[in-house]
Amino acid sequence: DIVLTQSPGSLSLSPGDRATLSCRASQSVKSNYLAWYRQKPGQAPRLLISGASSRATGIPDRFSGSGSGSGTDFTLTISRLEPEDFAVYYCHQYGSSPTFGQGTKVEVK
Amino acid sequence: QVQLVQSGAEVKKPGSSVRVSCKASGGTFSTYTFNWVRQAPGQGLEWMGRIIPVYDTTSYAQDFQGRVIFSADESTMTAYMELSRLRFEDTAVYYCASPNLLPSADDSFEIWGQGTFVTVSS
Repeated sequence: DIVLTQSPGSLSLSPGDRATLSCRASQSVKSNYLAWYRQKPGQAPRLLISGASSRATGIPDRFSGSGSGSGTDFTLTISRLEPEDFAVYYCHQYGSSPTFGQGTKVEVK
Repeated sequence: QVQLVQSGAEVKKPGSSVRVSCKASGGTFSTYTFNWVRQAPGQGLEWMGRIIPVYDTTSYAQDFQGRVIFSADESTMTAYMELSRLRFEDTAVYYCASPNLLPSADDSFEIWGQGTFVTVSS
């Protein structure tokens, strides 16, 4: 199985700051089938980005995703943090047997 | 509106089984793929496997092989996850999740149930 390693484990930022989250795969993710989710406490995850860089329906453009050409390094950027963005973020590869990263917690500084 | 609604919380004894349901509404049942994902308290997400009812196929993550069974009932638009030989460490929230139903969509998990909390306790 592909192991996804997210960094950092946590991030302390202020509203309006820029957040950069990383996800590294142990092997190339097929067809860039890499997604990002935001999970607030007590809620199910919500899809933000699929295909490494495509925003899901209704997701504002402050969220953007990118991937390296190698298919192993991926980034989620939140350009200006809103109060609802303080949450845990997971990356997820679904190109082969699906796996998730361990999560990055974005907390208020 | 497409949505997945799961059954309520369960408390089970070690060694017993639990069945969680996931009822789909909106859309055509044959376009759903039901993935099952669990999350232990304070932990991350773990994919358990999936069922694709239109093809009657199932895939199970290795960690759950032999202990979990997925099924689906088109007449009630409901998918089921049954986990047997429960252990204390199976205490978790269990989610069903499906890709977007559009033909152009990929297999990312856009539609999620609200989760079902299963507690394993003696």
